[in-house]
Amino acid sequence: DAKTTQPTSMDCAEGRAANLPCNHSTISGNEYVYWYRQIHSQGPQYIIHGLKNNETNEMASLIITEDRKSSTLILPHATLRDTAVYYCIVRVANTDKLIFGTGTRLQVFP
Amino acid sequence: DAGVIQSPRHEVTEMGQEVTLRCKPISGHDYLFWYRQTMMRGLELLIYFNNNVPIDDSGMPEDRFSAKMPNASFSTLKIQPSEPRDSAVYFCASSWRASNYGYTFGSGTRLTVV
Repeated sequence: DAKTTQPTSMDCAEGRAANLPCNHSTISGNEYVYWYRQIHSQGPQYIIHGLKNNETNEMASLIITEDRKSSTLILPHATLRDTAVYYCIVRVANTDKLIFGTGTRLQVFP
Repeated sequence: DAGVIQSPRHEVTEMGQEVTLRCKPISGHDYLFWYRQTMMRGLELLIYFNNNVPIDDSGMPEDRFSAKMPNASFSTLKIQPSEPRDSAVYFCASSWRASNYGYTFGSGTRLTVV
């Protein structure tokens, strides 16, 4: 699986957009980008995933660069409840394993 | 849907004792995963099953660890004998057609071995 690099921590003001970057420069053509988050003491929660097109759902948007070497998770209006560790994971299509890295600790402040 | 159910939520045991963690996946899901989380090593995949069959147990740390899935609605992770370094939060997750869908995680079992 391709390795991902994320900043260790980020801050965001409540109500503002949170933009979380992820580098995956060794990604292959059939590898998907997944995002999960883990709120303190809870199990990780699926947010969104994509292959090469930008994706949006009720939780977030995922922007993948044209060369697919990096992506950004966007929380359009961050709330205090979005404070969590966010994991960017690259997974080969049609395989079953998700290997978590160290993630980005996002702190949303009032 | 009650989600993935793990029991117990907390377990404190003495070194050398056998520990059994339990997981009930979401009905209809055909994949089940066991993860372990510690501050030092983060989230580690231990083993996963597809249609009750173990597919990859390369993450199981030692022979002291074993996992079973006797049917589609139940799985166990057993540690025998337990050691203090096994202290961690153990998560179970399930998914359907894992290749394109996200996992649903349980709330975890916090294991403390003293």
